[in-house]
Amino acid sequence: DAGITQSPRHKVTETGTPVTLRCHQTENHRYMYWYRQDPGHGLRLIHYSYGVKDTDKGEVSDGYSVSRSKTEDFLLTLESATSSQTSVYFCAISFGGQGNSPLHFGNGTRLTVT
Amino acid sequence: GDSVTQMEGPVTLSEEAFLTINCTYTATGYPSLFWYVQYPGEGLQLLLKATKADDKGSNKGFEATYRKETTSFHLEKGSVQVSDSAVYFCALSPTGNQFYFGTGTSLTVIP
Repeated sequence: DAGITQSPRHKVTETGTPVTLRCHQTENHRYMYWYRQDPGHGLRLIHYSYGVKDTDKGEVSDGYSVSRSKTEDFLLTLESATSSQTSVYFCAISFGGQGNSPLHFGNGTRLTVT
Repeated sequence: GDSVTQMEGPVTLSEEAFLTINCTYTATGYPSLFWYVQYPGEGLQLLLKATKADDKGSNKGFEATYRKETTSFHLEKGSVQVSDSAVYFCALSPTGNQFYFGTGTSLTVIP
């Protein structure tokens, strides 16, 4: 497995509270991604990063923010959690810049917003 | 825009049956194509990939051929095992920095 660690693995939180999910990599890959996985929707990109302090929005970025202050860490923050953000969140990394460089995924964080 | 369409599931097969999971794509240019597999409680794992037309990706008995004329990348395996039960995702990358996934196909193999 690629060296990707997501924390926490499970979290239950209440509506309106802030939540931060962490992704840590030991591969020194340039690109990092946050996806959410929901039944019937497959994987949807929330945000991605192409370097330290360089981030961009994905297709479902509303309600989420990210930060990357070090190559190895990519944080996803839900500023005020809502029930619609109950999902499984996956971090992924890629060497990037080449058409044949695949994504490598962490094991996910299951978030429940009550 | 770029997109991937894969067959709806769930798919249920008996052990040693032949497997096909269809995947077609829409993309400009020459994207790279991937199949990922997801076991329960885990993240997606790369199963195989192909980066140009007529390339065949293969791994663990699974194969898929990049067909540009039909814009397809169907996943096949000649004899499935119970341990192949998982969700399979087709994906494409037009640039190497962006990835587009299908909605996944759940496979259950029964003894």
